[in-house]
Amino acid sequence: EVQVVESGGGLVKPGGSLRLSCTASGFIFSNFGMNWVRQAPGKGLEWVSSISSSSTYIFYSDSVKGRFTVSRGNAKNSLYLQMNRLRAEDTALYYCATGAYGDYYSVIWGRGTLVTVSS
Amino acid sequence: DIQMTQSPSSLSASLGDRVTITCRASQGINNHLAWYQQKPGKVPKLLIYGTSTLQSGVPSRFSGSGSGTDFTLTISSLQPEDVASYYCQKYDSVPFTFAGGTKVDIK
Repeated sequence: EVQVVESGGGLVKPGGSLRLSCTASGFIFSNFGMNWVRQAPGKGLEWVSSISSSSTYIFYSDSVKGRFTVSRGNAKNSLYLQMNRLRAEDTALYYCATGAYGDYYSVIWGRGTLVTVSS
Repeated sequence: DIQMTQSPSSLSASLGDRVTITCRASQGINNHLAWYQQKPGKVPKLLIYGTSTLQSGVPSRFSGSGSGTDFTLTISSLQPEDVASYYCQKYDSVPFTFAGGTKVDIK
């Protein structure tokens, strides 16, 4: 079964850091770009970051650029999101999702991991 | 950056009705448009990509159309299981922006 599973969410104080992980299975992870998408409580979907299959291309939304770093470990079938200098407005459910072959729309979504930034 | 606007933000329709949701880009996006469905409390699901290509397993009552800057998601006959929020997303170039969504429920 093709799936991705996120982990690493939790409660963190403003200005703090958190590292999210996403473990993939059931497909050739190294062939696909990957996305992070978040959803604040009661709000819509917001694209956060994307990374190409071999990490050659990395993209961020303006809202996280300079604070978040995406990376992947193809040998471990894993995707990461290092989040620094967290703000209250970063509070959201963070989804990991597979891209399509050669494109960045999101095909397979995980269940998400909740990040809460609060003092 | 290209802005994505969806309308309406919510709608109520009767079972069997034809439902149309519109997504507009502030500039052309080369038909690189996807639609997602998110049922209450659930994970988003890809419905359509490339403006009109139905993802595998998606019922044929869903269809997508459009070109340039104006795009449409149509549900030909609304079913109870279609109660959800629907989002369009551009993926031609960064940022891969989502529109604000349309909440669909049954009248």
